[in-house]
Amino acid sequence: QVQLVESGGGSVKPGGSLRLSCAASGFIFSDYYMSWFRQAPGKGLDWVSSISTSNTYINYADSVEGRFTISRDNAKNSLYLQMNSLRAEDTAVYFCAKGGGSRVDWGQGTLVTVSS
Amino acid sequence: DIQMTQSPASLSASVGDRVTITCRASQGIRYDLGWYQQKPGKAPKCLISAASSLESGVPSRFSGSGSGTEFTLTISSLQPEDFATYYCLQHSTYPLTFGGGTKVEIK
Repeated sequence: QVQLVESGGGSVKPGGSLRLSCAASGFIFSDYYMSWFRQAPGKGLDWVSSISTSNTYINYADSVEGRFTISRDNAKNSLYLQMNSLRAEDTAVYFCAKGGGSRVDWGQGTLVTVSS
Repeated sequence: DIQMTQSPASLSASVGDRVTITCRASQGIRYDLGWYQQKPGKAPKCLISAASSLESGVPSRFSGSGSGTEFTLTISSLQPEDFATYYCLQHSTYPLTFGGGTKVEIK
């Protein structure tokens, strides 16, 4: 079955950087759009970014555009999110997801805390 | 951006009750909507895709309907394991947007 395992979360000071990784298994990774979503503590779900199968199409939420970069390595069945210039409001659980919006399968998430 | 207005924000219901949750889109999104269930500390799980298609393994007491701008998730007979928060997600246009969520609690 689909397995998505995120890593790379942690605590960082405002202005800092983190790189999230997601190891995918149980499906043909290169056949699917992939996405990142996030959920701030006690809040609802937000979409962050999506990437097409061959990196051709990439979309970002306005709140992260210019600061975050999504990428994928189909040879390694891996998805990444490079997060720069982090702000307190980026504090959230970040979920890796299979799919670009339709029938999304989710990983368990990794917590990112941005605090001084 | 397409705004998704979900109602109610919370509800209290008893086991066996029929529960209905609504999402309204600020513009037409055809059938490009999914419903997700999230339990505390867990990842969301897709229940319904394409507005009304029940995902594999999801109990038949869950159903979805609607198209365009108005969508409904119905639980025909609420079970103890259904107490959770439910979200709609539109994927017609980027940015993808969620409804605000509906917390279903035990009465």
